[in-house]
Amino acid sequence: AQKITQTQPGMFVQEKEAVTLDCTYDTSDPSYGLFWYKQPSSGEMIFLIYQGSYDQQNATEGRYSLNFQKARKSANLVISASQLGDSAMYFCAMREGRGTDKLIFGTGTRLQVFP
Amino acid sequence: EPEVTQTPSHQVTQMGQEVILRCVPISNHLYFYWYRQILGQKVEFLVSFYNNEISEKSEIFDDQFSVERPDGSNFTLKIRSTKLEDSAMYFCASTPWGEGANEKLFFGSGTQLSVL
Repeated sequence: AQKITQTQPGMFVQEKEAVTLDCTYDTSDPSYGLFWYKQPSSGEMIFLIYQGSYDQQNATEGRYSLNFQKARKSANLVISASQLGDSAMYFCAMREGRGTDKLIFGTGTRLQVFP
Repeated sequence: EPEVTQTPSHQVTQMGQEVILRCVPISNHLYFYWYRQILGQKVEFLVSFYNNEISEKSEIFDDQFSVERPDGSNFTLKIRSTKLEDSAMYFCASTPWGEGANEKLFFGSGTQLSVL
């Protein structure tokens, strides 16, 4: 079974609108962390937002917020007021449990923002 | 903001040749990582490194791969005898602390390795 599932290979959104990128995860470990990264066409991986499994509130970082629904095992990224520069690949990732260093990534969602 | 630096940005090599990919992590960081991304596929963990030794590695990281921190600033990934399937973007990353669930990984811009 996939640990991280991103079911939207591509999404379109108009500038200034909000968009939600879906991510579901699979783990039986009670302690985990969820991350979103942005990869523009230049290739670098840019950290956007983090949510810990024990965090009571949804994480927010500027225009980014994470809609964390623990019972549904979903960690959707919400981008408000989309900008043309938001066009990029977006990856959801999980660090599963303690005692591990690795992030497990999803397949990504390509977001296109149009004027 | 400080950044992770990777060189070269693009490396072309012949199958069977050795390559060394170089990274300069952020100076006060303690944990270092290599990830790779084959074109069109997901990013995959290769190895993590702390206190001058490997702390975790994936099944991809076989005997052909090695990592080293030769001089306290550089962090290198060596592929001893490259194969066609090693062609990928290789990302170096670092973090000031490890284990636990809340550290932010700082990634470099990547080295695109092309094996011919």
